[in-house]
Amino acid sequence: GESVGLHLPTLSVQEGDNSIINCAYSNSASDYFIWYKQESGKGPQFIIDIRSNMDKRQGQRVTVLLNKTVKHLSLQIAATQPGDSAVYFCAEDHSGYSTLTFGKGTMLLVSP
Amino acid sequence: KAGVTQTPRYLIKTRGQQVTLSCSPISGHRSVSWYQQTPGQGLQFLFEYFSETQRNKGNFPGRFSGRQFSNSRSEMNVSTLELGDSALYLCASSPETGTAFFGQGTRLTVV
Repeated sequence: GESVGLHLPTLSVQEGDNSIINCAYSNSASDYFIWYKQESGKGPQFIIDIRSNMDKRQGQRVTVLLNKTVKHLSLQIAATQPGDSAVYFCAEDHSGYSTLTFGKGTMLLVSP
Repeated sequence: KAGVTQTPRYLIKTRGQQVTLSCSPISGHRSVSWYQQTPGQGLQFLFEYFSETQRNKGNFPGRFSGRQFSNSRSEMNVSTLELGDSALYLCASSPETGTAFFGQGTRLTVV
C-alpha cells in the first residue's frame, strides 16, 4: 500500500550544526503533513505542519519544505542542540479524518 | 490546557487475556485516534472516532476494538491477547480535523 518513508535511519550532527531530515511520500492525494519528535519513553510531540498548498513553513528554529513534484518533505533544524536528540517522524493525512500514515523515523543524535 | 491523558501507563497481561486502555482527549477535541507502535512495524493507525462514531479503521484484526463516549473520552480493547500485541499504544486527539496531539502512551507487555 501507499506509505511515507524516510531516507536516513540515523543522523549524527554536532551541536550548533543545522540538521536536515528527509521524507518521501507516495500518496499524491495527501494534503496535510506533520513532523513529530519522539523522545524515549514519551509520545510523539508535534513540531510543525504544512498543507499541500504551501511549499515552505517556518517555526522556531525549524523549517518544513514540501516538494509536491517529487513527493518529498524535509525538516530543517537550525543550530541543533543536544535536546533535539530524538526520533523524528513525518506523517501524512489524506483522509481528512486525522488518520495519519507515519514514516519509519529518523534518529537524530546531537553531540555536544 | 491539559494534554492527552492515557491510563494506565504500563500493563502486563498474559496471553489469552483481554485488556482495556483509556484515553482522555484535550478539552474541546472531539476526534480521538489510536495507534500501535512497535520496533518492527513503527506507528500504525488503529482507528479514529469522532462524536462517538468510528470514522476510519486501520488494518488490524477484529480483536482490536474501540469506542468513544459522549464526553469524547475513548477506550480501546484488545481481546485474546497474543505475544505480538506487545507494543506502545498511543492515543491522539484533534479538533474535527487537523493536528493530532499525542498522549504518553500505554506500554502493554503480553507474557
